[in-house]
Parts: sequence; C-alpha cells; structure tokens
Amino acid sequence: GIQVEQSPPDLILQEGANSTLRCNFSDSVNNLQWFHQNPWGQLINLFYIPSGTKQNGRLSATTVATERYSLLYISSSQTTDSGVYFCAPGVAAGNKLTFGGGTRVLVKP
Amino acid sequence: GAVVSQHPSRVICKSGTSVKIECRSLDFQATTMFWYRQFPKQSLMLMATSNEGSKATYEQGVEKDKFLINHASLTLSTLTVTSAHPEDSSFYICSARDRQVDFGQFFGPGTRLTVL
Repeated sequence: GIQVEQSPPDLILQEGANSTLRCNFSDSVNNLQWFHQNPWGQLINLFYIPSGTKQNGRLSATTVATERYSLLYISSSQTTDSGVYFCAPGVAAGNKLTFGGGTRVLVKP
Repeated sequence: GAVVSQHPSRVICKSGTSVKIECRSLDFQATTMFWYRQFPKQSLMLMATSNEGSKATYEQGVEKDKFLINHASLTLSTLTVTSAHPEDSSFYICSARDRQVDFGQFFGPGTRLTVL
C-alpha cells in the first residue's frame, strides 16, 4: 500500500511564528486531505487538496501530485493551532485514506 | 454542513462483553463510511470500509468476526466490538463520504473504549 511520511514529527513554535509541515507519499493519489486533531480527539478538516494550492485564513496548502508531496503552511501561529496535524492521501477504490504519522505542534505564548 | 456524530463518546465495559458504537451522518447521505482505530500518540489505522446495503471490506489483520460492521441506511453505520478484551481498548473514529459531493471524508468525534 501507499507509504506516507510526515515531517517534522514534532514542532515547537513561538506564538506569531510561521511554519511549514511536509507530507511525502509513495504512490500517485487522486485524493489528499489535511486534518487537525484537537486535544479532545476530534479531526477537523483543513483542506481537501489532491493538487494545486488552497488558502483558508492563516493556513494554506499546496500539493504537487507529480512529485508526490504536499505542504501545509501555518502563518502567524496561535496557541489554538496546537495539536496534531495529519496528512492523508488516498487512491481510488472507495477513496480510502492512509494517514501519515502526524506532526505534533505546540505553540507557546 | 457535513456533520458526523458518534455515540457513545466514551464507554467502559467488562472483558467478554460486546459494545456497539453508532456513526451517523446528520445532514448528508453517505454511501460509504469508514472505521478507524487510534492508539495513544499514534496515527489512525483504517479498520474497514462500510458500504450501505453490502458487506463491509476489512483491512488486512482486522478480525471481521470480532469487529462487526453494519451499514443499514445511508446515514447510519454501526461497529460492534464482540467479546471485548483489554487490548481492544482504543479510540474508535468513523468517517463518512457525502455521496453528492467529493470533498473527501468527514470525521466523527470518536468513541473512547476502555475494557476492564
């Protein structure tokens, strides 16, 4: 199956800093989502981005499908951005997603 | 829109009993629902894909007789953990695809199962 690697595994930021999270995947995909898992375990959809670039407030994401990677940008980080960020690409056959190991982000005030 | 609920949010049971977890899509119809398991500080692992009106498809290594999945309608899928043991203690999360649009999967809030 598809292999998904996220980096870095852990990230500590000072409030207001910018950062980039990376997701590499081993196969061609037709679906990719970024999620934020809050401290209560809820997965929050950030982006559905099989290709191209999208922006939502202080967050933006870019997927270069031909080179098999996706990036999540966090700008002007806030303490509420803390949590675990997951990348989950998928292939056809029912749109199954394979989750990466996640990046655990801690934003300090 | 695209809200998925799970019930219960937390359950504690004795070893050997069975536990049923419900997953509902509240404002859309979901032909496909997915069940994941997450151990502490780990990623999500897909357990099975549930299609309305047909048998679930289980991932390799997941015991279908232990984790019974029923997708009886376009808005409800259930996961029953049969004869639960302490090693089944985990965070179980469901997701659903909206059949009308293709914006990926939407996730429920999860169910924390503790087997004593």
